[in-house]
Amino acid sequence: DGGITQSPKYLFRKEGQNVTLSCEQNLNHDAMYWYRQDPGQGLRLIYYSQIVNDFQKGDIAEGYSVSREKKESFPLTVTSAQKNPTAFYLCASSTQTGYNEQFFGPGTRLTVL
Amino acid sequence: ILNVEQSPQSLHVQEGDSTNFTCSFPSSNFYALHWYRWETAKSPEALFVMTLNGDEKKKGRISATLNTKEGYSYLYIKGSQPEDSATYLCAPRQVAGAGSYQLTFGKGTKLSVIP
Repeated sequence: DGGITQSPKYLFRKEGQNVTLSCEQNLNHDAMYWYRQDPGQGLRLIYYSQIVNDFQKGDIAEGYSVSREKKESFPLTVTSAQKNPTAFYLCASSTQTGYNEQFFGPGTRLTVL
Repeated sequence: ILNVEQSPQSLHVQEGDSTNFTCSFPSSNFYALHWYRWETAKSPEALFVMTLNGDEKKKGRISATLNTKEGYSYLYIKGSQPEDSATYLCAPRQVAGAGSYQLTFGKGTKLSVIP
């Protein structure tokens, strides 16, 4: 089955540690995205990538980094510079044609202790 | 960042009731509007992509309309069922340009259907 996988589902880290969230897709989509959700907020875009080896900052990129070395993979690193890292993180992908309907993964809930 | 408003924030309806909610967005540079349904413990799932003023889309008991000139879309659910319980998200997208693939999501309307 084609889809997007994110791992792990729950992640706990100590304050000051970097942590990397995994996102893999087998939909052959060129574009991939990372969103963050906080209680009472809409999904906010952290980073997106339209093609391998290229990515752009979204609305809340500070304290995060990404890489796009393979079409299928778009890992997100939450660095110690991110002031409020505890949140629910969603990864998505889409084609670059048409209206770019986005397909979402199941999400990772990160808790920083 | 686009200002996207969804109302109401949440609502509870009885099974069998029909309901509707609103998404408001800036009408300038409009390109498309996406509606998603997000059930608890699942991934958001695309419902509709709407592009033309006056557009109406339908999927089973769910339909949506679009007014690009005034910047709003309505989502209607006819004869609500418990399985319709979810958060409904709208996300407009502006005309292609730098960052053109970005969707800006509203906070959503959380629907609870009481059996």
